Amino acid sequence: QQQVKQSPQSLIVQKGGISIINCAYENTAFDYFPWYQQFPGKGPALLIAIRPDVSEKKEGRFTISFNKSAKQFSLHIMDSQPGDSATYFCAGVGSQGNLIFGKGTKLSVKP
Amino acid sequence: DTGVSQDPRHKITKRGQNVTFRCDPISEHNRLYWYRQTLGQGPEFLTYFQNEAQLEKSRLLSDRFSAERPKGSFSTLEIQRTEQGDSAMYLCASSLVGGKDIQYFGAGTRLSVL
Repeated sequence: QQQVKQSPQSLIVQKGGISIINCAYENTAFDYFPWYQQFPGKGPALLIAIRPDVSEKKEGRFTISFNKSAKQFSLHIMDSQPGDSATYFCAGVGSQGNLIFGKGTKLSVKP
Repeated sequence: DTGVSQDPRHKITKRGQNVTFRCDPISEHNRLYWYRQTLGQGPEFLTYFQNEAQLEKSRLLSDRFSAERPKGSFSTLEIQRTEQGDSAMYLCASSLVGGKDIQYFGAGTRLSVL
């Protein structure tokens, strides 16, 4: 049973454009929703995170929008740059602190 | 502080052999997690430790897998009688309980079972 569904699987955006990645979760016990960025050959690195009592969080060019009633959240990358090309994972935090990841979105930003 | 370190980075083995991976967490972190990531998928939780105690194991962790964290510092993950289906990236992460719940990941050990 996949507890976090992520879309799209891949995304191509022009430099300067907005990248949007969506996630939906099933487990209402999740109380923390991080986004991780992973480059080839590297481990995932925390990008930004949100708790369900907040509807939006912005850090620089990265914004999480959170809809608790719909059990959905999304990542917006403004002014996308070629250096943002990576795989992005949304996640929920399980009862033991373990991360439940989505399947990932491979983002390519074209110059 | 050099972050989470994993060794080796790559391991090629023949089916049926045993392999062991090591993870050195960030020094003050008391939680350590193991995940497995296959191509095109997100990491999947395997097990975690708080200090030296192994507190949870995923159903993915078959009897051929064993993990230890003997002194609450580094951890090892052993796979016995490896199978081709074990080929994956094995990731280790650490965090500080009572901190910001941030898990910091190592670069992983890529296992290829021939």
